[in-house]
Amino acid sequence: DTGVSQDPRHKITKRGQNVTFRCDPISEHNRLYWYRQTLGQGPEFLTYFQNEAQLEKSRLLSDRFSAERPKGSFSTLEIQRTEQGDSAMYLCASSSRQPNTEAFFGQGTRLTVV
Amino acid sequence: SQQGEEDPQALSIQEGENATMNCSYKTSINNLQWYRQNSGRGLVHLILIRSNEREKHSGRLRVTLDTSKKSSSLLITASRAADTASYFCATDLSTSGTYKYIFGTGTRLKVLA
Repeated sequence: DTGVSQDPRHKITKRGQNVTFRCDPISEHNRLYWYRQTLGQGPEFLTYFQNEAQLEKSRLLSDRFSAERPKGSFSTLEIQRTEQGDSAMYLCASSSRQPNTEAFFGQGTRLTVV
Repeated sequence: SQQGEEDPQALSIQEGENATMNCSYKTSINNLQWYRQNSGRGLVHLILIRSNEREKHSGRLRVTLDTSKKSSSLLITASRAADTASYFCATDLSTSGTYKYIFGTGTRLKVLA
């Protein structure tokens, strides 16, 4: 399977715990995006990487959130001190740097904070 | 805030009928992409239309783009029960110096067998 892969698919955590999600983009894609989606809403942009550089961050990405893409390949999204409001689907996407190319999404990680 | 808004928010049709959903956006775009999302799943890419294109087809899908009205439409012809899903438009704002895709609020389509 050469699509975008996310792990885990589901995560249940207690409030206050830290969680980390992983995204493996399509191998030749150098652009990587993280989005968050709550029930009944469209995906909301969190952050964007070009290779290993984090070039854009949303105001939604509070200081409890951090994302990395250490070697320009896979990426991790960490949420510290989780809150119930963090419960959502976290989606990763990747695309080529060529203009007007599609962005492909993974299956997402569904986070439930109890 | 969301860049795009889909209309209608929900649509229920009979199998075999056509489904049309619309997307409006606010700023200049490089391209617009349509996605499908089945309940609780990831987004599946359907079609990309560039800002200099007016219409594009892919199988039973037809997408139009009117940059003067800042709107796009997605037509699904001869709908099937398997088309039941949420549909989102996403605008590429890379001409505005940002690389993010901005999604609309989605249209929830239900196709009745």
